[in-house]
Amino acid sequence: ETGVTQSPTHLIKTRGQQVTLRCSSQSGHNTVSWYQQALGQGPQFIFQYYREEENGRGNFPPRFSGLQFPNYSSELNVNALELDDSALYLCASSLGRFRWDEQFFGPGTRLTVL
Amino acid sequence: DQQVKQNSPSLSVQEGRISILNCDYTNSMFDYFLWYKKYPAEGPTFLISISSIKDKNEDGRFTVFLNKSAKHLSLHIVPSQPGDSAVYFCAASLQGAQKLVFGQGTRLTINP
Repeated sequence: ETGVTQSPTHLIKTRGQQVTLRCSSQSGHNTVSWYQQALGQGPQFIFQYYREEENGRGNFPPRFSGLQFPNYSSELNVNALELDDSALYLCASSLGRFRWDEQFFGPGTRLTVL
Repeated sequence: DQQVKQNSPSLSVQEGRISILNCDYTNSMFDYFLWYKKYPAEGPTFLISISSIKDKNEDGRFTVFLNKSAKHLSLHIVPSQPGDSAVYFCAASLQGAQKLVFGQGTRLTINP
């Protein structure tokens, strides 16, 4: 059984560019949530995907978008990058939308926007 | 609007002693609370949880206490071990909501 993996590990972009972050869920997990963790802060919920459909969204603008694929892997896309988008982006997978105790996080992607 | 707050950015405890991490929340509708532990370069790992209908949950060296009237929860680790050195996050959820709301984290350092 493989855990949650994310790619890339680190990424440097410039303001205005677009970025795609990827997440592979733990085997059998049908729910993926994405979080943004700014330096010195706790993770903030971006959105959740359940069986390929967006199932809830936090207070993030529409330039943050996502996809979940039939194999339950997921992408986070951010358009028109801003300096404040610099953060650690975490994905977490679970078998079911509210299985918090059984939600497993990946190691994250560190995004730096210059 | 920070609905879940961890007011201590850091805590230093001697090995073998008790570590107490605190968390306050403002939304009385939160019905489930969790503690996560995070090592550098790793994602948060679930540690222990508690439902709002309980006031205590214990798992080995870890105990979580919930005081609903004070909107406060705490994590007790006893005895503290060097491997417990990490950043600890508390998180809360609303029934039927798809998200967790996290606190800012407390860095715990266990000194030998």
